[in-house]
Amino acid sequence: DGGITQSPKYLFRKEGQNVTLSCEQNLNHDAMYWYRQDPGQGLRLIYYSQIVNDFQKGDIAEGYSVSREKKESFPLTVTSAQKNPTAFYLCASSTLGGGSDEQFFGPGTRLTVL
Amino acid sequence: RKEVEQDPGPFNVPEGATVAFNCTYSNSASQSFFWYRQDCRKEPKLLMSVYSSGNEDGRFTAQLNRASQYISLLIRDSKLSDSATYLCVVNGSTERYVAGGYQKVTFGTGTKLQVIP
Repeated sequence: DGGITQSPKYLFRKEGQNVTLSCEQNLNHDAMYWYRQDPGQGLRLIYYSQIVNDFQKGDIAEGYSVSREKKESFPLTVTSAQKNPTAFYLCASSTLGGGSDEQFFGPGTRLTVL
Repeated sequence: RKEVEQDPGPFNVPEGATVAFNCTYSNSASQSFFWYRQDCRKEPKLLMSVYSSGNEDGRFTAQLNRASQYISLLIRDSKLSDSATYLCVVNGSTERYVAGGYQKVTFGTGTKLQVIP
């Protein structure tokens, strides 16, 4: 079955630690995205990538980093510089990067900073 | 004014009722519109795209009003399984991320629907 997988589902981190969230898709999509969702707020874009070896900052990129070495993979690192990292992180992909097509989401990772 | 605004609800309706949600957007240049459904603690999933001519999929009808800058979602004969949060998504604004050429996609905060037996 084609789809997007994210791991882990739940992640606990101590303050000051970096953590990496995995996102893999086998839909052959060119574009991939990372969002964070907080209670009472809409999804906010962290980073996006329209093609391998290229990615761009979204609205709230500070404290995060990404890589896109393979078409299928778009891992997100939450660094210790991110002041309020506890959130629900969603990875998505789409066929094109123009923003006019459906985005398919992974099941998400809930990150809690202890 | 927020780029995309939705009434957070909750809308509590009995089974079989008809319920409608509106979503207003601020940028008149927006070109694409969608409704996503998000179940509690799950990822959003596309419910339907919204076309200028309106579109219907079974019990669900979506409409676009460009003059007043809102989109709507109508659910007829509500089922218990319709209970979820419905997200309005708007893209194609004139704002583009520098160097990326990616048209900004804005998600609403969602409207929560609870269908009651």
